[in-house]
Amino acid sequence: GENVEQHPSTLSVQEGDSAVIKCTYSDSASNYFPWYKQELGKGPQLIIDIRSNVGEKKDQRIAVTLNKTAKHFSLHITETQPEDSAVYFCAARKTSYDKVIFGPGTSLSVIP
Amino acid sequence: KAGVTQTPRYLIKTRGQQVTLSCSPISGHRSVSWYQQTPGQGLQFLFEYFSETQRNKGNFPGRFSGRQFSNSRSEMNVSTLELGDSALYLCASSLDGTSTGELFFGEGSRLTVL
Repeated sequence: GENVEQHPSTLSVQEGDSAVIKCTYSDSASNYFPWYKQELGKGPQLIIDIRSNVGEKKDQRIAVTLNKTAKHFSLHITETQPEDSAVYFCAARKTSYDKVIFGPGTSLSVIP
Repeated sequence: KAGVTQTPRYLIKTRGQQVTLSCSPISGHRSVSWYQQTPGQGLQFLFEYFSETQRNKGNFPGRFSGRQFSNSRSEMNVSTLELGDSALYLCASSLDGTSTGELFFGEGSRLTVL
């Protein structure tokens, strides 16, 4: 079955710096890659996603890149702010009817 | 529009007991997925229900079971609880499992097994 790995497990950055989280997936049939953000005491929330027919997607300070050949995708957060502090999960899914498999998560701390 | 509601939010059980957790999805959502979250393990997929049928299943033992009702509300049950079952159980609903399939998560039910 699909397996998603994620690095680093923890990440500390100074406010205003950039943060990068990297994920790899095992099943080449996966074609949808969402990223979720989980704040303390809350459930994860979708922040951005990318499909396999797109190499990069950007939404304000957040961008995601996908390399299908290497089977890895990354989340980039620029100009980090304290409210970006949270746990971030990458995920992968094959078809619309398949389960969403999550990576182990990255705890991001933005230091003011 | 109300979000995903999970009850109870916190519960404490002892080994050997069983527990039932409830999830009310967003109105109109027909797919409900359950995940177990533990420190270091991330979100482990338990199962997904769509239109009262289990559509996908994770790699958990048979002690973990679930069901979905005609109004899309879902329950999951864990029998013969073990200490390792202590975790945050998250429920997520999605519109119909197609298209983007964005998952909308509840705040979870935190289970402690003593």
